[in-house]
Amino acid sequence: EVQLVESGGGLVQPGGSLRLSCAASGFPFSDYWMSWVRQAPGKGLECVANIKQDGSEKNYVDSVKGRFTISRDNTKNSLSLQMNSLRAEDTAVYYCARTARGLEYWGQGTLITVSS
Amino acid sequence: DVVMTQSPLSLPVTLGQPASISCRSSQSLVSSDGNTYLNWFQQRPGQSPRRLIYKVSNRDSGVPDRFSGSGSGTDFTLKISRVEAEDVGVYYCMQGAHWPFTFGPGTKVDVK
Repeated sequence: EVQLVESGGGLVQPGGSLRLSCAASGFPFSDYWMSWVRQAPGKGLECVANIKQDGSEKNYVDSVKGRFTISRDNTKNSLSLQMNSLRAEDTAVYYCARTARGLEYWGQGTLITVSS
Repeated sequence: DVVMTQSPLSLPVTLGQPASISCRSSQSLVSSDGNTYLNWFQQRPGQSPRRLIYKVSNRDSGVPDRFSGSGSGTDFTLKISRVEAEDVGVYYCMQGAHWPFTFGPGTKVDVK
């Protein structure tokens, strides 16, 4: 069974940093693109970043470029999102998802609240 | 960026009756590899999104056959042949053809 479990969420002040993690299991992690998708409270969905199987290709939505970094550790079946210079508009539930174009499996999400 | 629009944004339904959601993209979703990357997701209240349909018309494993997807180019449709109570939620279309991949605003389906 495919499982994606996010962690690392919480309350952070504007300008602060946070690192999210996603533990993957039930499938050959190194065979798949992986993605982070976010959903602001009561709002729609936004693809934030994705990363190729070997980490050689990464894509970011413009609003997070230069502030967020996606990475993966295929030896630990783990996906990460380093978030710096956080803004109020980054407040959202962040989901880890398998693949990029298809997003066929999602985790339960972790809530990030950026507020003073 | 590719803009995805959906209609209607709110869809009150009668149980047992059909329902249909339209999704339009601002440009063709045919990718350079020849595939059309249009997905449909269901998000039930308090849950993570769940993919129902991928590449326009392919139903995911475990998805009831009352859900079907169709369309081409820039115009797509999700149909529910007979709505059941468990279908209440928000439905999103999403394009995976052009980065950044983008979602429609969502269609809220609830029971009349």
